[in-house]
Amino acid sequence: KAGVTQTPRYLIKTRGQQVTLSCSPISGHRSVSWYQQTPGQGLQFLFEYFSETQRNKGNFPGRFSGRQFSNSRSEMNVSTLELGDSALYLCASSQEGETYNEQFFGPGTRLTVL
Amino acid sequence: AQKVTQAQTEISVVEKEDVTLDCVYETRDTTYYLFWYKQPPSGELVFLIRRNSFDEQNEISGRYSWNFQKSTSSFNFTITASQVVDSAVYFCALKRGNFNKFYFGSGTKLNVKP
Repeated sequence: KAGVTQTPRYLIKTRGQQVTLSCSPISGHRSVSWYQQTPGQGLQFLFEYFSETQRNKGNFPGRFSGRQFSNSRSEMNVSTLELGDSALYLCASSQEGETYNEQFFGPGTRLTVL
Repeated sequence: AQKVTQAQTEISVVEKEDVTLDCVYETRDTTYYLFWYKQPPSGELVFLIRRNSFDEQNEISGRYSWNFQKSTSSFNFTITASQVVDSAVYFCALKRGNFNKFYFGSGTKLNVKP
């Protein structure tokens, strides 16, 4: 079974631009979560999508948004980029059901904002 | 509120030494799940183990073992006879029973020197 894939792997943007990151979950997984990892803040939860609906949300500004498609693939968008948005963005997928399953992570997209 | 603390920022050992990574968590939930993930330099988080709050049985998997103690809210991870390939950042995480959202500790960077 193929793992979680994320594209692109690396991205360089300038302040004020917007960016869209993509995540394809493991086949059969309907839950997709996004995390931001920075040296200062560590791993922080952004949001989770399940069956095309946002089910959980972290404490990030509205510039961070996402969506999920009917095939469970998910995209994350960051508008009006700031220097502090430079981070590794990790996507994770898990099987249906909230209570027990581990999340399988993708390799991440490293975003650099100049 | 949920919180995971990994007090050890970085640990250096010589190959074949045993090493224990500490994890202390906070939650008021009675149902929760604890995880350990490994993050090699490539960036992808690799799942190591999951434990639910009702199962305090310790687990051993090869050179890895985990000690879960609810009385001290700790879920420590021991690597026996460490190897250079164990060098990575290790994260402890907590998931509440009804939410597919992980709370990660700040991670412990393990350096295993030959």
